[in-house]
Amino acid sequence: GQQLNQSPQSMFIQEGEDVSMNCTSSSIFNTWLWYKQDPGEGPVLLIALYKAGELTSNGRLTAQFGITRKDSFLNISASIPSDVGIYFCAGQLGSKLTFGKGITLSVRP
Amino acid sequence: DTGVSQDPRHKITKRGQNVTFRCDPISEHNRLYWYRQTLGQGPEFLTYFQNEAQLEKSRLLSDRFSAERPKGSFSTLEIQRTEQGDSAMYLCASSERQGRSYEQYFGPGTRLTVT
Repeated sequence: GQQLNQSPQSMFIQEGEDVSMNCTSSSIFNTWLWYKQDPGEGPVLLIALYKAGELTSNGRLTAQFGITRKDSFLNISASIPSDVGIYFCAGQLGSKLTFGKGITLSVRP
Repeated sequence: DTGVSQDPRHKITKRGQNVTFRCDPISEHNRLYWYRQTLGQGPEFLTYFQNEAQLEKSRLLSDRFSAERPKGSFSTLEIQRTEQGDSAMYLCASSERQGRSYEQYFGPGTRLTVT
């Protein structure tokens, strides 16, 4: 089946630093989405990307839909402690989303 | 703010028992989805409704699982004869029918523990 690859599994950064995470797939998707999940809660939608090559920002977050439609990246600028959490990429094809395994982000004060 | 709500938030049950979870989607959303998430993994799609019609089911949804959305509003997910492997977070999401129908908004989940 379709697989989305996110690596590394964990990232550790200093408060104020920028961080970039990417997501790759062996399959093409029509839409890419990025979610953040806190422990014991459901994923929260951060950014949705609709067209290949699209670059979209939401506050300190910037994400891009890869030209090949098989990858996407998320950048967080000037990290703050509340950015801690698990970041998932998801690809949409048809009605369902396919998720990566997530990247756990830790921010040191 | 009327986001997606799920009830209960936590459920502990003994192996072999039946459990039922409820999901109330965002009120103007026609589409409703169920996902399952195990530790260290992303959510995995189980099934999808448009209004009251169940339009797609994953092969993960074994015969012991059944989902309904009788009036096109709230949905229930029932697991019969629970097994330890059913322990997971069960997530519900909803989206609009048109426009940004791919933007799925998730509820807080129901954490199931089968002992």
